Amino acid sequence: ELKVEQNPLFLSMQEGKNYTIYCNYSTTSDRLYWYRQDPGKSLESLFVLLSNGAVKQEGRLMASLDTKARLSTLHITAAVHDLSATYFCAVTTLQGAQKLVFGQGTRLTINP
Amino acid sequence: NAGVMQNPRHLVRRRGQEARLRCSPMKGHSHVYWYRQLPEEGLKFMVYLQKENIIDESGMPKERFSAEFPKEGPSILRIQQVVRGDSAAYFCASSPRQGANTGELFFGEGSRLTVL
Repeated sequence: ELKVEQNPLFLSMQEGKNYTIYCNYSTTSDRLYWYRQDPGKSLESLFVLLSNGAVKQEGRLMASLDTKARLSTLHITAAVHDLSATYFCAVTTLQGAQKLVFGQGTRLTINP
Repeated sequence: NAGVMQNPRHLVRRRGQEARLRCSPMKGHSHVYWYRQLPEEGLKFMVYLQKENIIDESGMPKERFSAEFPKEGPSILRIQQVVRGDSAAYFCASSPRQGANTGELFFGEGSRLTVL
């Protein structure tokens, strides 16, 4: 059974600082997704990582994937308050089936 | 281009009643997925459907829950005889036909069920 674990689960940080969220998964998978969720809202797709060594950047967020280590990271650079949200990683169980298994989520709070 | 549309957004039911949640996928999408999110938790897969077919229902509780995606109209998630533990946010997601994209799912705003 595929398991996805994120850490930390809660993160409070100051504006302007850098930090990294980690996502580990238990079995082989070649697709990893990062989503953002604001309170009471839907999930917004941030990144789709499709191969080992993939790195994608959007603004202050950068995601990477190491399929050999079964690890993805979401790095936040010079955090701003608008990035406060819950971040989820998700992994597929079977290529093409698109049945995502989600991590528990990391609740990020950025303080002015 | 409308996204994934879910309704109702909020639903309150008393124990023992039925809840029906509806989902219209994005235009051009033929695959629908239902996920459940309990408070302070991640999303848990429930069921994956294509038109008139249930492809994977491994995440559905064995009793009281059913899902359909008819040839015409939205996908329906039906919960019979609701209990307090059914209180959650139910998210629908859609994707284009299998193998045609990155596997990314597009989520609706969710339906928040409260059972009194």
